[in-house]
Amino acid sequence: GAGVSQSPSNKVTEKGKDVELRCDPISGHTALYWYRQSLGQGLEFLIYFQGNSAPDKSGLPSDRFSAERTGGSVSTLTIQRTQQEDSAVYLCASSPTSLLTDTQYFGPGTRLTVL
Amino acid sequence: QKEVEQDPGPLSVPEGAIVSLNCTYSNSAFQYFMWYRQYSRKGPELLMYTYSSGNKEDGRFTAQVDKSSKYISLFIRDSQPSDSATYLCAMSANDYKLSFGAGTTVTVRA
Repeated sequence: GAGVSQSPSNKVTEKGKDVELRCDPISGHTALYWYRQSLGQGLEFLIYFQGNSAPDKSGLPSDRFSAERTGGSVSTLTIQRTQQEDSAVYLCASSPTSLLTDTQYFGPGTRLTVL
Repeated sequence: QKEVEQDPGPLSVPEGAIVSLNCTYSNSAFQYFMWYRQYSRKGPELLMYTYSSGNKEDGRFTAQVDKSSKYISLFIRDSQPSDSATYLCAMSANDYKLSFGAGTTVTVRA
């Protein structure tokens, strides 16, 4: 079956511009997660969705970052007024539920470069 | 100090060798330990999952957890060129929030 998909695969933008990153989770998965992977760093948790609600936004680095999920499916991560330090790979994952024993399935990521 | 430390390598071994990877951590509440494999330009995929201390074997892969030392290991026996990837350790106390190591890049030479 189809896995987690993300778009675009690559995004180059200029400092100060806004960007939107999209995630299509596996059908039926109620839990969705966004992570950021910077060069030489481990994956950094950003936000968790259960259905359309985001009970845990603790990893969002600043108020320039926001995310939403609609229809219990597609999620969009928005970064406003991008900065060079936002350059990273943004990964989305989904799992059937938020139980730790449920595997998180990752998408291929969106590679964001801020010039 | 990072919560999870992992030597980034890179590690290069000949085909057939044993690959040894490890992570150390500082949070004694961690009790779920995972290893993910990430190929270039792909998302991580779960390889092994261990709860608490002990060993777990799956084919050529063996995961070990020593909670007393806060140290986990992954061994790959009879390594193949297709094992060339970045290996990430991850761990959690009791929920979905995973803490990852930086990843070790492994190359298996044919």
